[in-house]
Order: sequence, then C-alpha cells, then structure tokens
Amino acid sequence: GESVGLHLPTLSVQEGDNSIINCAYSNSASDYFIWYKQESGKGPQFIIDIRSNMDKRQGQRVTVLLNKTVKHLSLQIAATQPGDSAVYFCAETGAGGTSYGKLTFGQGTILTVHP
Amino acid sequence: NAGVMQNPRHLVRRRGQEARLRCSPMKGHSHVYWYRQLPEEGLKFMVYLQKENIIDESGMPKERFSAEFPKEGPSILRIQQVVRGDSAAYFCASSPLGLDTEAFFGQGTRLTVV
Repeated sequence: GESVGLHLPTLSVQEGDNSIINCAYSNSASDYFIWYKQESGKGPQFIIDIRSNMDKRQGQRVTVLLNKTVKHLSLQIAATQPGDSAVYFCAETGAGGTSYGKLTFGQGTILTVHP
Repeated sequence: NAGVMQNPRHLVRRRGQEARLRCSPMKGHSHVYWYRQLPEEGLKFMVYLQKENIIDESGMPKERFSAEFPKEGPSILRIQQVVRGDSAAYFCASSPLGLDTEAFFGQGTRLTVV
C-alpha cells in the first residue's frame, strides 16, 4: 500500500546548527503534506504544511521543501535549539476528496540537539 | 480555547477487560479522528467520525474495536476484551471541517494491558 517513510531515523546536531529532516512518500497523488513535532509523552504538534501545488513554504525558523519529481519532502530548522529535540513526523493526505484529518504518517526521525 | 481533551491520560486494564477512551474535540470542531501509535512507530489512522456518523473506519480492527461520536458528549473509542497487543498510545484529533483544514491532536491515552 501507499506509505510515507523517512531516510534517517536519528539526527544529532549542535545548538545553533541548521537541521534537515527528510521524508520520502510514495503516493504521487498526495495533495497535502504536514510536518509534526512530537515530544515525549505528548501528542503531535503541527509545525508547518505545504500543498502539492507549492515547492517551498517558510515559517518561523522552519522551511518545508517539496520535490514532487522524486517524491521527497524535507523540513529545515534554522538555528536549532535544545527545545527542538523531539521526534519529527511527516504526514500526507491522499488525493483530492480525502479528509485532511486522515493522515498517513512516516516512521519518525529523532532529533537531538546538544547544547 | 481549550485544545483537544483526552481522558484518561493513562489506563491500565487486565486482559479480557474493556477499555473506554474519551475525546472531547476543540470547541466548534465537529470532526474527530482516532489514531493508534505503537512504541517507536508513527501514528496509524483508525477511524473518522462526525457527530452521530462514522465516515471512515478503514483503519479499525474488524473485531473488539468500536467508536462513536454522539450528538452530545465526547467521542468514545471502545476496546472490548483487551489483549496485550492493544497496548499503545491512542490519539484523538479534531478539525472544524473535514476537508482542507488542519487537524489538532490531543495528548493521547496510553493504554497498558497487563
């Protein structure tokens, strides 16, 4: 079946560095992609989203890049802080007509930021 | 505006007992989604409900699991005759509209079957 997966299960960076978390997806018809941050013992927290008709979107300290040609999604975090340490998931919805609440999640990348 | 509220946060059940997990969506949200997360895995979709209707239950196990979202009160995920394999974190998310809107997640209920 369709799936969303991540290249790297763990990522360790120094405080102040930029972080890049990658994600590959298999459903070429996916409309909408979201990055979530999940801290230990908590629910997923929305970070940033991007629609399939865009290739880049920027937020506060975060940028999401979408490459539909190779079905690849990345999350860039600028000036990473210890508070950014968490598990990061990419998620996608299906093609048009699928509820945005019905998401397919990737396995997750553990980001550890060292002071 | 309170977020999505789930309770209990932690639930311990013996094999064969029933587990009831509750989810109160954000104010104004009429769409609820339940997800299950096994340790060190991503979330897996279970069911999508609107008030008094099950819209998509493609992720629900065929037996022992049921969900409802009544006209009044929280959404309930019910697991009958729990087994150890049901141990997981169960997350609820809500959105104001089914399509084209972000879903907000609760803090989850961690079910442990002993």
